[in-house]
Amino acid sequence: GIQVEQSPPDLILQEGANSTLRCNFSDSVNNLQWFHQNPWGQLINLFYIPSGTKQNGRLSATTVATERYSLLYISSSQTTDSGVYFCAVERGDSWGKLQFGAGTQVVVTP
Amino acid sequence: DGGITQSPKYLFRKEGQNVTLSCEQNLNHDAMYWYRQDPGQGLRLIYYSQIVNDFQKGDIAEGYSVSREKKESFPLTVTSAQKNPTAFYLCASKTRDRRGDTQYFGPGTRLTVL
Repeated sequence: GIQVEQSPPDLILQEGANSTLRCNFSDSVNNLQWFHQNPWGQLINLFYIPSGTKQNGRLSATTVATERYSLLYISSSQTTDSGVYFCAVERGDSWGKLQFGAGTQVVVTP
Repeated sequence: DGGITQSPKYLFRKEGQNVTLSCEQNLNHDAMYWYRQDPGQGLRLIYYSQIVNDFQKGDIAEGYSVSREKKESFPLTVTSAQKNPTAFYLCASKTRDRRGDTQYFGPGTRLTVL
């Protein structure tokens, strides 16, 4: 099956800092999503981004499908950004079955 | 409000017992999914259903069973055959669209086997 690798596995940031999270995938994909899992376990959609660039407030994401990677940018981080960030991909023939990476644990300190 | 609900939030089970986790959605989505999450890991697919009365095994279906009698509901039964059932279980749904779409997740159920 398709492999999804996220880096770094852990990230500690001071409030106000910027950071970049990376997601590499091993095959062409039909769908790529970024999620944020809060400390209570709820997964929140951040971006649906199979290709191109999107921005939502302090967060932005870029997927370069031809090179099989995606980046999530967090700017001016806040303590509420803490949690685990997951990248998940779907192949074109899989009808919505997402393959998740192991996630990046982000801790933002005051 | 439209969304996905899961119940219960916490569940404790004795070894050898079957338990059923509830997942309900009012988003009018065709497809529904069950994932399992172990500490420090990503989500793994247990079962999925593209349409009522149809479901397929995911990557880790052994020891689990599902039903899809109504569009809104996709309950998961964790059977006594599941060797290590303690985990966080998440249900999701999406519209049936080959172009791809966003999956929406419920709040999850934490199952602990005593």
